[in-house]
Amino acid sequence: NAGVTQTPKFQVLKTGQSMTLQCAQDMNHNSMYWYRQDPGMGLRLIYYSASEGTTDKGEVPNGYNVSRLNKREFSLRLESAAPSQTSVYFCASSEIGGITDTQYFGPGTRLTVL
Amino acid sequence: GEDVEQSLFLSVREGDSSVINCTYTDSSSTYLYWYKQEPGAGLQLLTYIFSNMDMKQDQRLTVLLNKKDKHLSLRIADTQTGDSAIYFCAENLAGGYNKLIFGAGTRLAVHP
Repeated sequence: NAGVTQTPKFQVLKTGQSMTLQCAQDMNHNSMYWYRQDPGMGLRLIYYSASEGTTDKGEVPNGYNVSRLNKREFSLRLESAAPSQTSVYFCASSEIGGITDTQYFGPGTRLTVL
Repeated sequence: GEDVEQSLFLSVREGDSSVINCTYTDSSSTYLYWYKQEPGAGLQLLTYIFSNMDMKQDQRLTVLLNKKDKHLSLRIADTQTGDSAIYFCAENLAGGYNKLIFGAGTRLAVHP
């Protein structure tokens, strides 16, 4: 099992460009999450998908959109990138999304917006 | 409000014990977690404790929870160089989805 995979590992964008970060999990998990990690701060939830076909906003959703393409894949889109979106992005998944659920994280995508 | 605080840096000698501390503010937290992040990698769950427990031990790891003071600690016995990483405390709030609130992380440096 690969667990949670993310592509790309690194990306540099210019302000105003768009891009999609990809995430896939092979653990048959129902719930998936997108976080961002900024220096000196903990991870903050951008969006989550409790199950296939549903998505909901987290703490910091502005400037992002998501798509739960199928049970395995959950993508994060930046329509018009801004320097404030420079961050490390982590995707995670969990079995059922309940409070006893363990979240498994991918290796992250380091994004720089110039 | 929801807030998790940790000291940012800890340096220990190899073989000593490390104690990483965390405070949280939301008394409705049901589970509290410790995650480890090695350089260039995602977060790995180390251990967790349910809010009605005081202590949990798992090999070299001991988690202590003081619910009255909203204080959580992670003790690593016989710290090794492979333990060098960033350790994140997180609380899981009651109700709704699996919402984790993370601290900023404590960078543990282990030196000979």
